Amino acid sequence: DAGVTQSPTHLIKTRGQQVTLRCSPKSGHDTVSWYQQALGQGPQFIFQYYEEEERQRGNFPDRFSGHQFPNYSSELNVNALLLGDSALYLCASSSITGTLAREQYFGPGTRLTVT
Amino acid sequence: QKEVEQNSGPLSVPEGAIASLNCTYSDRGSQSFFWYRQYSGKSPELIMSIYSNGDKEDGRFTAQLNKASQYVSLLIRDSQPSDSATYLCAVNLAYSGAGSYQLTFGKGTKLSVIP
Repeated sequence: DAGVTQSPTHLIKTRGQQVTLRCSPKSGHDTVSWYQQALGQGPQFIFQYYEEEERQRGNFPDRFSGHQFPNYSSELNVNALLLGDSALYLCASSSITGTLAREQYFGPGTRLTVT
Repeated sequence: QKEVEQNSGPLSVPEGAIASLNCTYSDRGSQSFFWYRQYSGKSPELIMSIYSNGDKEDGRFTAQLNKASQYVSLLIRDSQPSDSATYLCAVNLAYSGAGSYQLTFGKGTKLSVIP
């Protein structure tokens, strides 16, 4: 049973550039959430996608956008990168239905460094 | 007021002892609570979920929830050096809306199990 996968593993970008991160959810899951984790902090919720729509959004600027595809995979896009965007970006998958609906499983993450 | 609070530690316990990790949350109506383990440089791994008041046991792990006190804890029995990691408390806060799956994390408690 494949778990959550993310690509790339590491990424180095320059201020002002744009980046796209990718996520495939766990088999049987239909919901993808994205989190940002700065060093020494807990993950912070960016947004969640279900049925190809953004269901909920955290306190992040519009530079952060996303997409979900019919196969449930998802992308996170960040425009106009700032140094403060350097972090571990985590994708979490879950199933919208069932008794375990609220359990979220994380992928390995993408480490983004902005220079 | 911080929404999910944890003692950042580090918490050091000898091998074989019980490690006790604590978490408080601000939103009394919250319903879903999770503990994640995060090894250095890795992504969070879900180890326990709890939804009702009382204790929930899974192997060496016991989660305890007291909604009246807005308190959730994780006990690790017979602690092993391999348990050394940061433990993140996550709450699906009620304020985030009915049907929300947004998780709010504490900063995590770093646990060191001394051989």
